[in-house]
Amino acid sequence: EVQLVETGGGLIQPGGSLRLSCAASGFTVSSNYMSWVRQAPGKGLEWVSVIYSGGSTYYADSVKGRFTISRDNSKNTLYLQMNSLRAEDTAVYYCVYQIIWGQGTMVTVSS
Amino acid sequence: DIQMTQSPSSLSASVGDRVTITCQASQDISNYLNWYQQKPGKAPKLLIYDASNLETGVPSRFSGSGSGTDFTFTISSLQPEDIATYYCQQYDNLPPDTFGQGTKLEIK
Repeated sequence: EVQLVETGGGLIQPGGSLRLSCAASGFTVSSNYMSWVRQAPGKGLEWVSVIYSGGSTYYADSVKGRFTISRDNSKNTLYLQMNSLRAEDTAVYYCVYQIIWGQGTMVTVSS
Repeated sequence: DIQMTQSPSSLSASVGDRVTITCQASQDISNYLNWYQQKPGKAPKLLIYDASNLETGVPSRFSGSGSGTDFTFTISSLQPEDIATYYCQQYDNLPPDTFGQGTKLEIK
């Protein structure tokens, strides 16, 4: 069974850093593209970043230069390194593989 | 980037009603469109893929149609458990995965 489990969310001060992890099971993270999608409280879905099987990465303009997507094939895990966090980054972050979504992890940026 | 315009943003209907949501793409996306259902506190769940194909296990009262730039999502007979927010998503021109703004469906 394909499953995604995100961890790493929490409360962080503006300007701080956080790394989200997405542990995958039932498939290999390098086999296809994987994405991060976020949802601010009471708002819609916003694509954040994608990493393709060949390693190419892309980012939404709102996070470009601050967030980095990566994966560890040996751990079958996807990551999102988030630096210089802002209040507007507050959201539930979902890891997505094809049509499979994780349960999400909440990131709150506040002083 | 492709923009997806979804309407209405909210909708109130009675149990048994036929409900329709539309999604318009800013350019031709063929049939590369998903429809998701999201309930509060939960991740989105895929209902329709390739614009009109019903995901396995999804009740047949849900359907989708359209191609090119104009798409429609329909619930033929609204049930209380269908209360949720619905999103369209294009996957023709990636990245990014582009979502519609969402339609919040409530029971009248």
